[in-house]
Amino acid sequence: DQQVKQNSPSLSVQEGRISILNCDYTNSMFDYFLWYKKYPAEGPTFLISISSIKDKNEDGRFTVFLNKSAKHLSLHIVPSQPGDSAVYFCAATTDFGNEKLTFGTGTRLTIIP
Amino acid sequence: GAVVSQHPSWVICKSGTSVKIECRSLDFQATTMFWYRQFPKQSLMLMATSNEGSKATYEQGVEKDKFLINHASLTLSTLTVTSAHPEDSSFYICSAHRGTQSPLHFGNGTRLTVT
Repeated sequence: DQQVKQNSPSLSVQEGRISILNCDYTNSMFDYFLWYKKYPAEGPTFLISISSIKDKNEDGRFTVFLNKSAKHLSLHIVPSQPGDSAVYFCAATTDFGNEKLTFGTGTRLTIIP
Repeated sequence: GAVVSQHPSWVICKSGTSVKIECRSLDFQATTMFWYRQFPKQSLMLMATSNEGSKATYEQGVEKDKFLINHASLTLSTLTVTSAHPEDSSFYICSAHRGTQSPLHFGNGTRLTVT
């Protein structure tokens, strides 16, 4: 039972444009959502998170939007840069600082120079 | 900089042997660490929660006798893959919270290949 889903396995975006990565979840108990970036043969790196009491969180070029009623979140990267090429995982948890994460299947983002 | 260190980064072993992977929190104490596994082109799947001073909690379907976890100190957790088989070949990653209200920080992972 995949509780966190990323339906697009890959995405290609022109450099300088906006990248939008999507994620859906099914477990209404999730309270926090996170995005991680992962390069091959490395562990994931934390990017940005959002609490379920918010609908938007912004950090530099990265913005996460949460639509709780639709159980959907998205990560916007603008402007996209070549170094953003990686696999992006969304993750969810019931307790931000203490509990395990449930990961989505990942989206491979390729930024085209 | 890195807050979770994992060693080795890659290891090749023969079927039937055991392999130990270490996970250290570098500048903080971690009473709990999480071990994940990632098969090629798949998601990260939680294997077990490592608890300092007590038994690990394993996810459904993960064999506790095969994947031995020891969390003997507040900065070190080890995962031992016993009697390894080729199907255990995978990318193993540990993680820990640096403090309350902190996201999970991950080590760089260990690529295990069983021949």
